[in-house]
Amino acid sequence: QSALTQPASVSGSPGQSITISCTGTSSDVGGYNYVSWYQQHPGKAPKLMISDVSNRPSGVSNRFSGSKSVSTASLTISGLQAEDEADYYCSSYTSSSTSVFGTGTKVTVL
Amino acid sequence: QVQLVESGGGLVKPGGSLRLSCAASGFTFSDYYMSWIRQAPGKGLEWVSYISSTSSYIKYADSVKGRFTISRDEVKKSLYLQMNSLRADDTAVYYCTRGGPYYGLDVWGQGTTVTVSS
Repeated sequence: QSALTQPASVSGSPGQSITISCTGTSSDVGGYNYVSWYQQHPGKAPKLMISDVSNRPSGVSNRFSGSKSVSTASLTISGLQAEDEADYYCSSYTSSSTSVFGTGTKVTVL
Repeated sequence: QVQLVESGGGLVKPGGSLRLSCAASGFTFSDYYMSWIRQAPGKGLEWVSYISSTSSYIKYADSVKGRFTISRDEVKKSLYLQMNSLRADDTAVYYCTRGGPYYGLDVWGQGTTVTVSS
């Protein structure tokens, strides 16, 4: 199972909106609504930000939203803040009943 | 509070074995799928394995299949990962997580470091 494809880096100024893409195939992202997004700050464990494509767990800021079109999922961060600077990973269920992560995206707040 | 605490990491020679443990607290352990995720130094996240709440359903990544075994003990509220025939590319921080392949991994441990080197 190949890793899902994410851009290596995305940047934006405070207050702006940015979108991170996560591209898979019909055997993973395109075939199921089981896409999750994780935020990881340096030296820390990842944190679940979005589950089931667009569900935001309790306690996660509503500035984070998720969506999906065909085989590409997206995470949008609106009103970008300095604390959003981190690595972001998507994950999907696959047709082999396994999971696969994305390649990861480094978000920089300019 | 809901917590996962891993232990058992360390330095091991290629071909050696190691058993990771994860102690769960603050939630009904038997209700949840559990998973192991790893992250090699400077690299991204890699799914390793998951086990269903009743241990009836288990899956492994191709990279560890046949070498790693996941298990759980409901009495001890613990998750385990037995790692055999370790290779240099198994070097990583190993995270214990609550959840399976469907609804997201909503609780993560602090991670335990495994280094495979001669």
